[in-house]
Amino acid sequence: EAQVTQNPRYLITVTGKKLTVTCSQNMNHEYMSWYRQDPGLGLRQIYYSMNVEVTDKGDVPEGYKVSRKEKRNFPLILESPSPNQTSLYFCASGSTPGTSGRSSYNEQFFGPGTRLTVL
Amino acid sequence: RKEVEQDPGPFNVPEGATVAFNCTYSNSASQSFFWYRQDCRKEPKLLMSVYSSGNEDGRFTAQLNRASQYISLLIRDSKLSDSATYLCVVNIQNAGGTSYGKLTFGQGTILTVHP
Repeated sequence: EAQVTQNPRYLITVTGKKLTVTCSQNMNHEYMSWYRQDPGLGLRQIYYSMNVEVTDKGDVPEGYKVSRKEKRNFPLILESPSPNQTSLYFCASGSTPGTSGRSSYNEQFFGPGTRLTVL
Repeated sequence: RKEVEQDPGPFNVPEGATVAFNCTYSNSASQSFFWYRQDCRKEPKLLMSVYSSGNEDGRFTAQLNRASQYISLLIRDSKLSDSATYLCVVNIQNAGGTSYGKLTFGQGTILTVHP
């Protein structure tokens, strides 16, 4: 089954304790991305990756790191989490947005989300 | 001004009604446009892409007005199952036609369809 998986789905942690949220896709997509979703602010892009070893900042990259050592995985790292990083996080993958073709080339497939609480 | 703006609603409509959502974007370099649907506490899923000529998928019609920089979604004959949040999404491409890869989401428009 084609899917994007994230782990953990729920996490409660304390300020300053490093954590990693994993994201994996089995659709051989070049493009992967991380978002956070907050009430009243909608979905905001944190980082994205156009391909292996190619990453770039989205709208809200501060306090986050990513890596793309292999095509299927795109972990999100919080080196020193703070309470303002409490949020719902989504990973997504797809073909590179805006490339030629119809909707199947542009669809982003989202993981089920990770609800993170930083105390 | 936000890059992508939507009326957050909520829109409360009876079954069978026609409802329309608008979305405006500020960056004229925007090249790809989408509508996503998000059910409560679930991940967003693509509803439809929006093409310059407008496109239709069953009860759903999407329109793009580049001159005015807005996108619309029309839902005809609303069903209870259409209740969700509808997200307008915009992607910017550079002059060479390749994507910056940065997707910008609107805040979403909440739709509730009641019996």
